[in-house]
Amino acid sequence: KNEVEQSPQNLTAQEGEFITINCSYSVGISALHWLQQHPGGGIVSLFMLSSGKKKHGRLIATINIQEKHSSLHITASHPRDSAVYICAALQGAQKLVFGQGTRLTINP
Amino acid sequence: EAGVVQSPRYKIIEKKQPVAFWCNPISGHNTLYWYRQNLGQGPELLIRYENEEAVDDSQLPKDRFSAERLKGVDSTLKIQPAELGDSAVYLCASSPGETQYFGPGTRLLVL
Repeated sequence: KNEVEQSPQNLTAQEGEFITINCSYSVGISALHWLQQHPGGGIVSLFMLSSGKKKHGRLIATINIQEKHSSLHITASHPRDSAVYICAALQGAQKLVFGQGTRLTINP
Repeated sequence: EAGVVQSPRYKIIEKKQPVAFWCNPISGHNTLYWYRQNLGQGPELLIRYENEEAVDDSQLPKDRFSAERLKGVDSTLKIQPAELGDSAVYLCASSPGETQYFGPGTRLLVL
């Protein structure tokens, strides 16, 4: 069993739909990252959070430390949101443990 | 400000050949990481440097992989000889602290 599990692995939705990607982890963490990876592109950090909720534009990330669970939400999804979204648990100050990623496709 | 630079972006080689990847981190970032990302998977750490010192290389297959960061700035990752299973994207990241900044990766195909 991976230390960081994401679900679903693949998600296809229509433009405008509300999107939720889930991440569960079994290790102790100091923070959790949500990352975005476009095809052929590098990885971009979306959020780093250690408690509660963060919002940036149409993206919202939440974390429940007691339940070891985090979610990434996208409101009013758009085809340009199509990418792989990766959850990564920060152990200590430097070590990132990555989930396998969720491939999101938003159709117009 | 320039981001993490990696070259080449793509590399196709035959098995048993050597290959090298280069990474130039963001200026001032002391920590440098090399990751390998297989298709449909998240990145896996190969090695982490603090300045010129490799502080975590436990996941680096040392029989064929080597890395160096001689002056504590740019770094090279080498595979010799390459095997079919080494086909992956090799990502470099740098960090001034907790947040890691990723390069575009080098996509390696071993035939």
